[in-house]
Parts: sequence; structure tokens; C-alpha cells
Amino acid sequence: EAQVTQNPRYLITVTGKKLTVTCSQNMNHEYMSWYRQDPGLGLRQIYYSMNVEVTDKGDVPEGYKVSRKEKRNFPLILESPSPNQTSLYFCASGGLAGEEQFFGPGTRLTVL
Amino acid sequence: AQSVTQLGSHVSVSEGALVLLRCNYSSSVPPYLFWYVQYPNQGLQLLLKYTSAATLVKGINGFEAEFKKSETSFHLTKPSAHMSDAAEYFCAVTRAGYSTLTFGKGTMLLVSP
Repeated sequence: EAQVTQNPRYLITVTGKKLTVTCSQNMNHEYMSWYRQDPGLGLRQIYYSMNVEVTDKGDVPEGYKVSRKEKRNFPLILESPSPNQTSLYFCASGGLAGEEQFFGPGTRLTVL
Repeated sequence: AQSVTQLGSHVSVSEGALVLLRCNYSSSVPPYLFWYVQYPNQGLQLLLKYTSAATLVKGINGFEAEFKKSETSFHLTKPSAHMSDAAEYFCAVTRAGYSTLTFGKGTMLLVSP
């Protein structure tokens, strides 16, 4: 089954404790992206990647890191989480040139 | 730069009534437009997309949208609402050869019996 998987689905942590949210897709997509969703703000892009070893900032990259060492994986790293990063995070993948993006089920992160 | 405006953060309809969710876009080049739906505690699912072919696009679950260049709009409609349509709906824009989507802020559709 074609899908985007994220782990963990739920995470409660404390300020400053490094964490990684994994994202994996099995559709051989070049493009992958991370979004955060906050009430009243819709989805805002954090980082994206056009291919292996190619990443770029989205609209809200501060406080986040990503890496793309393999085509299927695109982890999101919060090296020192803060409460304002409490949010719902989505990973997405898709083809290039304006094709549909497929979304993972989301990771709900709470930073205390 | 591209942008999307969704009019109405909440829309309420009765079961069986027409659903109309509004989306206006801004783009300096021909856009590709998408509607996604998000059911509670789930990710986003594609409803339909416009990529410069037919201006009236039919999607899943009986939804359709019409691209109107003169009005820079891509409104989503469904003739008869079902209770199962209650969800949040997002309009998004990109352009040919470009992958990043710009999303609107979403419209929550509430369906009452």
C-alpha cells in the first residue's frame, strides 16, 4: 500500500530535550516536505527536499533541522524544543512539477 | 508569490443542503489548484485538483470545483451534504514545475441533521 508513515504519532516532551520525528514514504517520490498545523493558521511549511541531499527552508524553519540521506526518509529534528513548537506536524511526499502530495497521519507534539 | 484565501473559517449546512466552500487564489503564473480534506485525527486527503485541463473538476465523494480565471477562484461544491462530510477543508496552490504547496487557513464544514 502506498503510504507516508510518521513516528511517533503522539509525543509529550520537555523544553530543551532533543527529539526526532521520523517520516518514510514507499512511493519513490523525489519531493518531501514537513508542515506544521496550528488552529487558525492552516498548514505552514517548515522544510522541504527536492531529492537526496537537497533540502531548503520553508516559511517557518526556525528551531528545526532536517536531513535527506535516503530517498524514502526525511526526519524532522528539534534540537532544543520550546513550548511554541507545540503543534501538529505533517510529513508529505509527492512527485515534482505540481503533482499531488500524499500526507502522513500526523504527529501531535506537546512541549512542556 | 502565491497565496490562497478561504472565506469563512466555519461553514454550517443542514444535511441534504448545498455545500459551497470558497477559495480565491493569487498567482502571477498559471496555477495548479488543489482541495484537500482532513477528517478528525487524520492526515490530509486529496479531494480534487486542477492542472490546466478542464475547468470543471470532479473529485471524490461527490465534490467538484470550477476554476474561474477571471475571478481567481476555485470554489468547492457538493449538491447534497452528508453527515460524513463534516471535516476541515483546505485549498492549496502551486504552479507547473514547482512542488511546494501554499495552503489556505482552512474551512471547517459542520453538517447538522
